[in-house]
Amino acid sequence: LAKTTQPISMDSYEGQEVNITCSHNNIATNDYITWYQQFPSQGPRFIIQGYKTKVTNEVASLFIPADRKSSTLSLPRVSLSDTAVYYCLVGASGSSNTGKLIFGQGTTLQVKP
Amino acid sequence: NAGVTQTPKFQVLKTGQSMTLQCAQDMNHEYMSWYRQDPGMGLRLIHYSVGAGITDQGEVPNGYNVSRSTTEDFPLRLLSAAPSQTSVYFCASRPGTSTGGYEQYFGPGTRLTVT
Repeated sequence: LAKTTQPISMDSYEGQEVNITCSHNNIATNDYITWYQQFPSQGPRFIIQGYKTKVTNEVASLFIPADRKSSTLSLPRVSLSDTAVYYCLVGASGSSNTGKLIFGQGTTLQVKP
Repeated sequence: NAGVTQTPKFQVLKTGQSMTLQCAQDMNHEYMSWYRQDPGMGLRLIHYSVGAGITDQGEVPNGYNVSRSTTEDFPLRLLSAAPSQTSVYFCASRPGTSTGGYEQYFGPGTRLTVT
């Protein structure tokens, strides 16, 4: 499984757009990129996943450049309730799906008023 | 659907005791996993299963056993509890044949303290 690297922490203010970048230099051809959010005392929650270019849902956008060696999670107009830890995961799908999902250290996002 | 359920929510053990953390899911997911999360740290994979009767080790399997006799249940057994196993334990499940990525569903966690 490809190793991921994220910033340990980030600060932002309410109403700003936040971009969290994840580096995954050893990503394989059939790997997908997935992001999770975790609030204190809760299990992680799936946010978004993608393979290439851009994916958008009601919560966030995910930007993946052509070389796929990094990805950026974009949270539009954050609020205090977006304060959480954000994890980037990379793994294979389909026939290469081993079932093994490894979490990195994650990025702690602190949103200030 | 109840999703992923875990029992108990809290547990205190003495060093050397054994116990089983229960995990069940009602989504007919093939894949299930156990993670532990120490205070202020990320999640570490203990064991995982890709289907009934099939389990494998994760990053930190020592001191834990698992079995998967049914699709729904994936219990985690602590063989002889040690203070280093004080942690929050999360169980997760996901479909095994998704078209891509890893949308896992997590349980609420079991907070274990070993004295």
